[in-house]
Amino acid sequence: KAGVTQTPRYLIKTRGQQVTLSCSPISGHRSVSWYQQTPGQGLQFLFEYFSETQRNKGNFPGRFSGRQFSNSRSEMNVSTLELGDSALYLCASRDVQRVETQYFGPGTRLLVL
Amino acid sequence: DQQVKQNSPSLSVQEGRISILNCDYTNSMFDYFLWYKKYPAEGPTFLISISSIKDKNEDGRFTVFLNKSAKHLSLHIVPSQPGDSAVYFCAATYEGGTSYGKLTFGQGTILTVHP
Repeated sequence: KAGVTQTPRYLIKTRGQQVTLSCSPISGHRSVSWYQQTPGQGLQFLFEYFSETQRNKGNFPGRFSGRQFSNSRSEMNVSTLELGDSALYLCASRDVQRVETQYFGPGTRLLVL
Repeated sequence: DQQVKQNSPSLSVQEGRISILNCDYTNSMFDYFLWYKKYPAEGPTFLISISSIKDKNEDGRFTVFLNKSAKHLSLHIVPSQPGDSAVYFCAATYEGGTSYGKLTFGQGTILTVHP
């Protein structure tokens, strides 16, 4: 099976702009989670989607949003970008029958100038 | 509130010896624990996991031990190889409520295996 894919891999934006990141999960995986990794905060959970519904949300401002499509692909959007949003954004997918595994994509490196 | 802690920022071992990476947690609701290996600017690679009904799980060179009473887990790599050099993260989760799809990560331990 192909792994989790994320596009784009790298992105440069300026403050105030918005950005949309895309994630395609492993075939058959219907749960998609998003994480932000920064040097200061480590790996932080953003939100999780299952069957096009957000089931869980981390402690991030409303500027961070997401959605999931009927084919389980997911997007996350960050509006009104701030310098502190510069990070590696990671998507992970799993089979909901298997809580003990979650597979990550390569990430999208976002730089906000 | 750091619910998952990896208190050793770094670990250095010789090739062929055992690497032991440690992790502590505080939330007694966690019932699944995972270990990941990560290189800079890449996504974490899943290594091995354990559920709270077990105290040991093995997969090749990797063994994870869980001590529920001490809220402590460890990852053993035997024998260690230079290619194992990376950052290792432990993560924890439980199913339901506010934890759907959410892994809580430790801060990571940098493992360096010297030839």
